[in-house]
Amino acid sequence: GQNIDQPTEMTATEGAIVQINCTYQTSGFNGLFWYQQHAGEAPTFLSYNVLDGLEEKGRFSSFLSRSKGYSYLLLKELQMKDSASYLCAVVRYSGAGSYQLTFGKGTKLSVIP
Amino acid sequence: DTAVSQTPKYLVTQMGNDKSIKCEQNLGHDTMYWYKQDSKKFLKIMFSYNNKELIINETVPNRFSPKSPDKAHLNLHINSLELGDSAVYFCASSQQWEDSRVVNEQFFGPGTRLTVL
Repeated sequence: GQNIDQPTEMTATEGAIVQINCTYQTSGFNGLFWYQQHAGEAPTFLSYNVLDGLEEKGRFSSFLSRSKGYSYLLLKELQMKDSASYLCAVVRYSGAGSYQLTFGKGTKLSVIP
Repeated sequence: DTAVSQTPKYLVTQMGNDKSIKCEQNLGHDTMYWYKQDSKKFLKIMFSYNNKELIINETVPNRFSPKSPDKAHLNLHINSLELGDSAVYFCASSQQWEDSRVVNEQFFGPGTRLTVL
């Protein structure tokens, strides 16, 4: 089975830095995604990590430690538009050349002035 | 250009009815998915399908059935709708392999909000 944990809610101030953590337990690990989902909209891709280390993309960075089953999403210079849910999703090889993406329950981030 | 499209966007129906949601992707991807997002915003995989294999989440009732007329379409048919089926249903697509590296970023459709009365 799989288990993905992330905080339910977080609040941060505009202009600040926030780190959203995700821990997971899974077999056949093949990478970890972070998605952003604004209320009433579809999830959109933010980052993908398959090797240990930090991937930086503009104001957003994502880190992975496979040995610890741990990832975080770092958001810098927070803007009001960053208020959204952030979904951690683990890729698992499910056999016969197929891969499954399992989502955590998401972290609702509220950015306040 | 819409990459992944779903119709209808809103669907309101009575308990016991049968309904379908359509999904089309123009990205040339080889794998398509259906997800259910409930009122608590938990996004849960229902099906993944490529031209080789249909993988069904074992918790999905057999009232739900995916139908793929071709590689670009994966429709979701639901029989005997129940109140608990009310949710937002997202279609997504991805390309499983590219240059021997797993590329599994999923592109999501806009969602279909199903309300069962």
